[in-house]
Amino acid sequence: GESVGLHLPTLSVQEGDNSIINCAYSNSASDYFIWYKQESGKGPQFIIDIRSNMDKRQGQRVTVLLNKTVKHLSLQIAATQPGDSAVYFCAEKFNNQGGKLIFGQGTELSVKP
Amino acid sequence: DSGVTQTPKHLITATGQRVTLRCSPRSGDLSVYWYQQSLDQGLQFLIQYYNGEERAKGNILERFSAQQFPDLHSELNLSSLELGDSALYFCASSVPTGALDEKLFFGSGTQLSVL
Repeated sequence: GESVGLHLPTLSVQEGDNSIINCAYSNSASDYFIWYKQESGKGPQFIIDIRSNMDKRQGQRVTVLLNKTVKHLSLQIAATQPGDSAVYFCAEKFNNQGGKLIFGQGTELSVKP
Repeated sequence: DSGVTQTPKHLITATGQRVTLRCSPRSGDLSVYWYQQSLDQGLQFLIQYYNGEERAKGNILERFSAQQFPDLHSELNLSSLELGDSALYFCASSVPTGALDEKLFFGSGTQLSVL
């Protein structure tokens, strides 16, 4: 079925540490994955994306890893800062469904100073 | 600021009532998407419009309807409201590139509370 789920609903890290947020997806036909950050009182904000023909993609302090064998997606945040505290969602997209995104349930990241 | 404007920010109403949520997309964006975010269902795609025409439909109830006007703003109409309709409703917009990595920009949402 169509479902994207997160392994950890909450994650608490110390400022300066690296954070890893995980996501499992069920549809092997998904060909595009996105990580969004949602701060309190705001809408989801795009962080980084990856196509299904890639294993890894790096941005500024963030890296997304895709393991298609086990249908697993992860977001790594380097040197986590208090401003990174938010709820993080993974989302998947099927090319034959246009712009419709299937979102996971979200992981709340809390960064302790 | 994503450039997507949603009004009102908060809406409190009673069961059985009808409300209209409004969205102004980013300048130049032709596609508008509506999503519902509830505690039990997470973020769910409702419907997409492109340049005034319905493009895709998700888990949208028959009591809900949407439209996109010639000036590209969109409205989501929710009628015969039930307690379970209480949620955060997001609008997103995009430049319809047709590419797989077409980016969605989300507004700050309308918090609907049905009492």
